[in-house]
Amino acid sequence: NAGVTQTPKFQVLKTGQSMTLQCAQDMNHEYMSWYRQDPGMGLRLIHYSVGAGITDQGEVPNGYNVSRSTTEDFPLRLLSAAPSQTSVYFCASRGGGANYGYTFGSGTRLTVV
Amino acid sequence: RKEVEQDPGPFNVPEGATVAFNCTYSNSASQSFFWYRQDCRKEPKLLMSVYSSGNEDGRFTAQLNRASQYISLLIRDSKLSDSATYLCVVIKGQGAQKLVFGQGTRLTINP
Repeated sequence: NAGVTQTPKFQVLKTGQSMTLQCAQDMNHEYMSWYRQDPGMGLRLIHYSVGAGITDQGEVPNGYNVSRSTTEDFPLRLLSAAPSQTSVYFCASRGGGANYGYTFGSGTRLTVV
Repeated sequence: RKEVEQDPGPFNVPEGATVAFNCTYSNSASQSFFWYRQDCRKEPKLLMSVYSSGNEDGRFTAQLNRASQYISLLIRDSKLSDSATYLCVVIKGQGAQKLVFGQGTRLTINP
């Protein structure tokens, strides 16, 4: 049982490039989310999904797209990378009732130059 | 005003001390409450859920006061391994899917 797996762990992009951050979970969790963590800002919700085929925007969705074609996978796509998207990105998933917390992946450290 | 507010610290306490963290949240519709810990350059990890009746897990005790919109975490007999950043987390929204994080309180336990 691997939990939540994120790839890559590190990435450097040039401004304007696009890329996809991968997230997969093997716990059959319905709920998945993407967060970014910046110094002094804490973790902020980018997009989330309540099940395959269902996604919605979080607090800071601009510049990012998501899709959820399967229960297991929830990729985050950067459309045209900007230096402001330099951050640490965490994917998380949850099953069960409202008092079950989210399990986080180990993160992707992204630098946009 | 931030939705979830914590004292950022840092807290520096000697090993064996008792330390308490506080957190306030602004949205009275918030549904679920948690404490997470995050080690340097690692992902957040669930420490414990917080229930209205209060709950304890070993050396850790969490309390929730819905009327005051206040959450607390007490760590007794602190260990060196307790050094981390502690995040107060609130879930809001339809289906309880949106986590809102406090900025975290940094704790260092000194030998």
